[in-house]
Amino acid sequence: KQEVTQIPAALSVPEGENLVLNCSFTDSAIYNLQWFRQDPGKGLTSLLLIQSSQREQTSGRLNASLDKSSGRSTLYIAASQPGDSATYLCAVSEMDTGRRALTFGSGTRLQVQP
Amino acid sequence: GAVVSQHPSRVICKSGTSVKIECRSLDFQATTMFWYRQFPKKSLMLMATSNEGSKATYEQGVEKDKFLINHASLTLSTLTVTSAHPEDSSFYICSARDRDRLINSPLHFGNGTRLTVT
Repeated sequence: KQEVTQIPAALSVPEGENLVLNCSFTDSAIYNLQWFRQDPGKGLTSLLLIQSSQREQTSGRLNASLDKSSGRSTLYIAASQPGDSATYLCAVSEMDTGRRALTFGSGTRLQVQP
Repeated sequence: GAVVSQHPSRVICKSGTSVKIECRSLDFQATTMFWYRQFPKKSLMLMATSNEGSKATYEQGVEKDKFLINHASLTLSTLTVTSAHPEDSSFYICSARDRDRLINSPLHFGNGTRLTVT
């Protein structure tokens, strides 16, 4: 059974810092990996999607990398801002389940202090 | 972009009553929708896969008679929490995949429903 782990569970940084969020998964047979943002009490906002054949994706100040063979992904946030404060979730879409549902990590709660 | 509408966003009900949550794909058709549950400060746990025109597939440990799922059309899936109890209080989120896009295309998520059972 696929397991997704995110480290750290919580992170507090001053504004302007560059930071890295880590995600690992136990089964490398995935279709893709997604990073989401979730604000308290809200739904999910998709940030980046990396297909299994890709190594990284970029959107603005966000860069996500994928090393499928080692079961790892990182989300890099450049020049963090208070508005980046949220919980960041990574999720993988598995190949061996026909329904292609996502398996989520437990998230990293980020607080960017002004 | 693809939009998934989930309604209601919040609901408070008394123990023993039933609550229906709707998940609609607004600008695409979805043969498959997924229902997730999220406990406070925890991750999303897949409850069931909703298939248009057929029975839902439930994950291990999820009571199908308690969480009734109906996917009667290509744009609507409903989750009914029957005889709700306080332990059913949680955040429920649905997601859908555009049937006209590749299998590895991203899922689209609703904004969730906060259920509180008193």
